Amino acid sequence: AQSVTQLGSHVSVSEGALVLLRCNYSSSVPPYLFWYVQYPNQGLQLLLKYTTGATLVKGINGFEAEFKKSETSFHLTKPSAHMSDAAEYFCAVSKTSYDKVIFGPGTSLSVIP
Amino acid sequence: GAGVSQSPSNKVTEKGKDVELRCDPISGHTALYWYRQSLGQGLEFLIYFQGNSAPDKSGLPSDRFSAERTGGSVSTLTIQRTQQEDSAVYLCASLIRGQSPLHFGNGTRLTVT
Repeated sequence: AQSVTQLGSHVSVSEGALVLLRCNYSSSVPPYLFWYVQYPNQGLQLLLKYTTGATLVKGINGFEAEFKKSETSFHLTKPSAHMSDAAEYFCAVSKTSYDKVIFGPGTSLSVIP
Repeated sequence: GAGVSQSPSNKVTEKGKDVELRCDPISGHTALYWYRQSLGQGLEFLIYFQGNSAPDKSGLPSDRFSAERTGGSVSTLTIQRTQQEDSAVYLCASLIRGQSPLHFGNGTRLTVT
């Protein structure tokens, strides 16, 4: 069965500092991987996704993530945090584009001015 | 409509009562999901409908929970004999088969008193 773990239920960074949100997955096959973001009082939206091909994936708002098969990881990064990045971030995995999507527990990001 | 629509947006019910939550997916989306989001628990997968295939019910927490999807479109999630631990935000999402991202509705906030 697939599963997702996100290290750190809450992460705080200073404005302008590097953002690193960790995600590790377990899957019996090469997975599809996603990061979704939920801004306060808003619905979830896709930040970026990995399906096949290039392992470094760029998403919206300056975020990117790298698929590392050897580490079963898909960590999310952004070089410089902005106040507007404060939100809940969810990593998700699917065996294929037709299979169910399983989400991790989420990481709440706070940005300190 | 342009997005996934869920109704009601809020529901307060007494313990032991049955509730029905409705989801109208985006037209043409063949896959439909129900998730439950509880404080600090992330998104818990409940059930997945994919076209005419048998639904994946592996996430339903008990036999008090059931869901159906009529005509490959509208879905109803039913919770019988509600308990206080059922209090959560219930999210519906749809997607075009073979493509991401998931398009989420705004959810139904269920409060069981």
